[in-house]
Amino acid sequence: GNSVTQMEGPVTLSEEAFLTINCTYTATGYPSLFWYVQYPGEGLQLLLKATKADDKGSNKGFEATYRKETTSFHLEKGSVQVSDSAVYFCALTLDTGRRALTFGSGTRLQVQP
Amino acid sequence: EPEVTQTPSHQVTQMGQEVILRCVPISNHLYFYWYRQILGQKVEFLVSFYNNEISEKSEIFDDQFSVERPDGSNFTLKIRSTKLEDSAMYFCASSATGGGNQPQHFGDGTRLSIL
Repeated sequence: GNSVTQMEGPVTLSEEAFLTINCTYTATGYPSLFWYVQYPGEGLQLLLKATKADDKGSNKGFEATYRKETTSFHLEKGSVQVSDSAVYFCALTLDTGRRALTFGSGTRLQVQP
Repeated sequence: EPEVTQTPSHQVTQMGQEVILRCVPISNHLYFYWYRQILGQKVEFLVSFYNNEISEKSEIFDDQFSVERPDGSNFTLKIRSTKLEDSAMYFCASSATGGGNQPQHFGDGTRLSIL
C-alpha cells in the first residue's frame, strides 16, 4: 500500500538556522507529493507540491524536490523564522485509483528567537 | 482567497448521540473529502464525494458514518451513534477536480469530543 514516513519531531532550531525535514514515501504508481503546514489552532494549509520526478515545489522560502530514485521529498528552508513554528505534514496522492491524501505523522518545528 | 469553512469549531456530545459536522467547500470545487485526526496520530482519510455520491471511502467509514450534500453549498458528515473513539479533529477538504495532482484545500477543522 501507500505510506509516508517523516522524521520524528519536535525539531527545535534557532532563528535563521537551516531547516531540513525528511520525508520518504512508498507508493504503487506515480504519486503527486505535497507538504502541508498546520499553524497552532488552524487547519491544514498547502505549502507546496510536486507532481512528477525532479519537480521542485517552492513557496514562502520553503523548497522540496521530488526524488524518484530515493523516493523522497525532503522539505528545506535556508533561514527559518519564529513564525515558521508549526507542524509540517508530508503527503501523497495518486492520479489514478485512490485520490485520497495519505499523510505522514507530522513533524513539529519550534523556532526560538 | 476562497476558503473551506467548518462549523462548529468544537462539538461536545454524549456517547450514543448523533452528531452532524458541517462544511462549506470552496464554491467552484467539485470534489469533497472528510479526514480525521485522533490526538497524537496521523491525519486519516475517511471519504470522498463527487457528483452527489461517495467516490471512495476508507475502512474507518463504516455504517455509522454518512455524508450528504443537502444543498448547493453544504457538505455534511453524520455520525449516527457516537463512540468514545470517535473523539478527534475532523477536517473537511475540497478540490477543483479529482486529479491526483490537484491540491486539496482544508478547513480549520471541528474538534469532536465524545463524553
